[in-house]
Amino acid sequence: LAKTTQPISMDSYEGQEVNITCSHNNIATNDYITWYQQFPSQGPRFIIQGYKTKVTNEVASLFIPADRKSSTLSLPRVSLSDTAVYYCLVAFNQAGTALIFGKGTTLSVSS
Amino acid sequence: AAGVIQSPRHLIKEKRETATLKCYPIPRHDTVYWYQQGPGQDPQFLISFYEKMQSDKGSIPDRFSAQQFSDYHSELNMSSLELGDSALYFCASSLGQGFGYTFGSGTRLTVV
Repeated sequence: LAKTTQPISMDSYEGQEVNITCSHNNIATNDYITWYQQFPSQGPRFIIQGYKTKVTNEVASLFIPADRKSSTLSLPRVSLSDTAVYYCLVAFNQAGTALIFGKGTTLSVSS
Repeated sequence: AAGVIQSPRHLIKEKRETATLKCYPIPRHDTVYWYQQGPGQDPQFLISFYEKMQSDKGSIPDRFSAQQFSDYHSELNMSSLELGDSALYFCASSLGQGFGYTFGSGTRLTVV
């Protein structure tokens, strides 16, 4: 499984755009990149998933360069409720394949 | 929409006791994953089942065992509990191919 590296923590203010970059230098051809959000004492929640280029949904965008050795989760106009831990995961998209969580990024949003 | 149901939500056990955690996946999901998350730590993968067969194994202690039943629900059995087993235990489910992991709200196990 590809190892991921993310910043341990980030600080932001309400209304700002937040970009969290994840490095995954040994990503395999069949690996997908998935981001999860976790609030204290709650289960992780799926945010977005992508393979290459750019993916956008109603809550975030995911940018993946051509070499796929990194990815950036972009949260537009964060609010206090976006304060959480964000995890970048890389794994082969196959039935039963477990997602292995590494060290996530603790995002703190202030007013 | 139906979510992943875990029971119980909270459990207090004494050292050396046994505990059974249950997980009911989203209807039609055939894959179940178990994770352990200690205080201030990241989720650690324990074990997973696909179509009632063990599909992947992580850092699950020998004192723990799990299975997936014919109705796809899963149970995590924990014996000879230790203080260090105190943690949040999450179950997630997915439908075969593709991630679409959905996590449950977890069971908080406290060993005293």
